[in-house]
Amino acid sequence: EADIYQTPRYLVIGTGKKITLECSQTMGHDKMYWYQQDPGMELHLIHYSYGVNSTEKGDLSSESTVSRIRTEHFPLTLESARPSHTSQYLCASSRSGGLMANEQFFGPGTRLTVL
Amino acid sequence: ILNVEQSPQSLHVQEGDSTNFTCSFPSSNFYALHWYRWETAKSPEALFVMTLNGDEKKKGRISATLNTKEGYSYLYIKGSQPEDSATYLCALGGGGNKLTFGTGTQLKVEL
Repeated sequence: EADIYQTPRYLVIGTGKKITLECSQTMGHDKMYWYQQDPGMELHLIHYSYGVNSTEKGDLSSESTVSRIRTEHFPLTLESARPSHTSQYLCASSRSGGLMANEQFFGPGTRLTVL
Repeated sequence: ILNVEQSPQSLHVQEGDSTNFTCSFPSSNFYALHWYRWETAKSPEALFVMTLNGDEKKKGRISATLNTKEGYSYLYIKGSQPEDSATYLCALGGGGNKLTFGTGTQLKVEL
């Protein structure tokens, strides 16, 4: 079973608050990812990291930011939450090396609602 | 950006029925095709990763095929069971192992 954790699982918060979604993995994977999914839509990549101190924007523009100070930890931050940020956020990780076909392991997601 | 389409969007079958879903894509410019199963309130779980035209993979009652020349992959479930109820996601793996997902096929298996 994949060991990748996300907290909180559910979050309801008011507009303007700063929030951090936590993601941790215990598999020693170098690569980590954040995906966003709106209801009925695809998972879209919003951030990824290839290792410590590496962060890149994904295919979908996002007002969130990420950091990668430790291999196992990849938190996502929204400085000022807005209703448009209401969505589900999933974190994933994968190993490096080999073919570009490495399985990604996903966390259970954080369902965020901004009032 | 790769475009991944899945059909049908949702499917209701009876226990014991066999079923299949389609993932289609316009380009062979990718490294791998992934299938995931996503049960409600759980993490998406990898089912298969396929890289070569003609690849076939099997895990129990579930199997998948890949045709990169015509741009599709099929996922088959033989003898569906209620525990197969989930959303099945197809994703193309591109450079840097970044995945582009389809919207998924939601399967409901009824007793």
